[in-house]
Amino acid sequence: QSVLTQPPSASGTPGQRVTISCSGSSSNIGTNTVNWYQQLPGTAPKLLIHSNNQRPSGVSARFSGSKSGTSASLAISGLQSEDEADYYCSAWDDSLNGYVVFGGGTKLTVL
Amino acid sequence: EVQLVQSGAEVKKPGESLKISCEGSGYSFSSYWIAWVRQVPGKGLEWMGILNPRDSDTRYSPSFQGQVTISADRSFSTAYLQWRILQASDSAIYFCARSYSQYIGRYYYGLDVWGQGTTVTVSS
Repeated sequence: QSVLTQPPSASGTPGQRVTISCSGSSSNIGTNTVNWYQQLPGTAPKLLIHSNNQRPSGVSARFSGSKSGTSASLAISGLQSEDEADYYCSAWDDSLNGYVVFGGGTKLTVL
Repeated sequence: EVQLVQSGAEVKKPGESLKISCEGSGYSFSSYWIAWVRQVPGKGLEWMGILNPRDSDTRYSPSFQGQVTISADRSFSTAYLQWRILQASDSAIYFCARSYSQYIGRYYYGLDVWGQGTTVTVSS
């Protein structure tokens, strides 16, 4: 059971806009920033969004993030076949001595 | 080029010990926290812990506290993940990754550079 809750799956057709939600609590998303990762099959994860809505250099502007209260969302616009991957949200959790929590991941299928 | 290069795949028996490594290059190794992340094939990412190479301050996920040891040797720009007693349930791919910022907590901005992963298989 992951600390952050994501839908296990999402889908869309090419060109569509899809969103993936991530729900947490006051000790993680409610207090700290949210980061998103994309993991293509057989590869290491890639940082897609940091600090709720910031894209690292080289990440397409089709990816955007937002946060409100204890929830966050990743939006992908102009969906492309190469976006088919697993997506994970993550945040620092202030519980105990502090550590990072991940969502369970969302498998995005491009129909 | 900033990169993390991990040690090769391991096949071990239950009860054995293991230490895998992650060598950083292309940046100041001591300036960025290094994390370890576990992924059982077909499953999600699990954050294990993070270490500051500068002073060895280490934070563990409650799920992994006491189960593994994270360490680093600054002179070799290398971080380590160690098990004293392996179990079959430790079979997984282990990734090391660098913190995007030089801070944790409120200013933790995720992991921007990842190693290629080390596959650990524990089987009798």
